[in-house]
Amino acid sequence: NAGVTQTPKFQVLKTGQSMTLQCAQDMNHEYMSWYRQDPGMGLRLIHYSVGAGITDQGEVPNGYNVSRSTTEDFPLRLLSAAPSQTSVYFCASTVDDSGANVLTFGAGSRLTVL
Amino acid sequence: AQSVAQPEDQVNVAEGNPLTVKCTYSVSGNPYLFWYVQYPNRGLQFLLKYITGDNLVKGSYGFEAEFNKSQTSFHLKKPSALVSDSALYFCAVRAYRDNYGQNFVFGPGTRLSVLP
Repeated sequence: NAGVTQTPKFQVLKTGQSMTLQCAQDMNHEYMSWYRQDPGMGLRLIHYSVGAGITDQGEVPNGYNVSRSTTEDFPLRLLSAAPSQTSVYFCASTVDDSGANVLTFGAGSRLTVL
Repeated sequence: AQSVAQPEDQVNVAEGNPLTVKCTYSVSGNPYLFWYVQYPNRGLQFLLKYITGDNLVKGSYGFEAEFNKSQTSFHLKKPSALVSDSALYFCAVRAYRDNYGQNFVFGPGTRLSVLP
């Protein structure tokens, strides 16, 4: 049982390049989400999904795209990278979206955009 | 809108002394409150949560938190700090029965340093 797995751990991009951050969970969790962590700002929600085929925007969705074709996978796509997207990205999942459930986080993906 | 404040960027405490990391929140309706800890170069790990019931919640690694509805606070505490408790601590809130759009809201984090 690996929990939540994120790849890659580190990535450097040039402005304008595109890439996909991968997130996979093996716990059969319905709810998955992507956060970005910036110093002094905590974690901010980018996109989330409450099940396969269902996604929605969070607090800071601009410049990012997601899809949820399976329960296990929730990739985050950067369409045209900008320096403002330099951050640490965390994927998280939980059993359902009742509100009381604990999030399980991946180890994070550190992205630098030059 | 939901919000979480952690008024201290940094808390320093000597090993063996009690520690407190402060959190205040704003939410419509009854809150679900959480504390997570992040060790260097790691993801966040769950410490404890308040849903309902007893205002004093006990969690992992000897941590506890006190929910105070009148002060809208959820301070994290530990009677005797360890050097290994040094980490970044996040408070988070979720509104009870909110719609999917609100989700979890995290505070900015407080860095705890326990000095030997």
